[in-house]
Amino acid sequence: QSVLTQPPSVSGAPGQRVTISCTGSGSNIGAGYDVHWYQQLPGTAPKLLIYNNNDRPSGVPGRFSGSKSGTSASLAITGLQAEDEADYYCQSYDRSLSAGVFGGGTKVTVL
Amino acid sequence: EVQLVQSGAEVKKPGESLKISCKAYGFSFTGYWIGWVRQMPGRGLEWMGIIHPDDSETRYSPSFRGQVTFSADKSTNTAYLQWSSLKASDSAIYYCARRFRGATAPWYDPWGQGTLVTVSS
Repeated sequence: QSVLTQPPSVSGAPGQRVTISCTGSGSNIGAGYDVHWYQQLPGTAPKLLIYNNNDRPSGVPGRFSGSKSGTSASLAITGLQAEDEADYYCQSYDRSLSAGVFGGGTKVTVL
Repeated sequence: EVQLVQSGAEVKKPGESLKISCKAYGFSFTGYWIGWVRQMPGRGLEWMGIIHPDDSETRYSPSFRGQVTFSADKSTNTAYLQWSSLKASDSAIYYCARRFRGATAPWYDPWGQGTLVTVSS
């Protein structure tokens, strides 16, 4: 059971908008810790997608965006493309564990 | 180019020891913490802990403390993850990643390509 909770899967047609939630608690996201997002394409290592809730590293398309409110965060993909089919993970810090924590991951399927 | 290159896949028997490596290129190795992450077959990412190569200070996740050991050699820009006695449940892909210290929570970028460890009798 992951400290951060994500839906196991989301799907959408090409061009649609999908969102992935990441729910934490008062010892991690709710305590004010920032949330970061990673994309893991099939058979590859994770890649940083969003950092500090809503900042994109150089090279990440603008169709990816993040937000955070209260004890939750969200990743949105607008204009879904076939190449976005991957697993997505949120990550933050938990002060009770004194450790980094990941969500369980969400598989995005492009219909 | 900033990158982390990990050692190749390993097949071991239960009870054997193992040390895998993560070599850094293109950045100041002693200027960043290096993190280790486990991904068991078909499962999600698990944060194992971090090491600072400059002084080898380590911080372990409660789930991994006592189960693995992190080390680093700053003369070769290489971080290591080792086990003294492997179990079948250690079978997984292990990733290393450079840690960026955020304002509140750190993030990891880039990641190594991963090392597949298979433990089977």
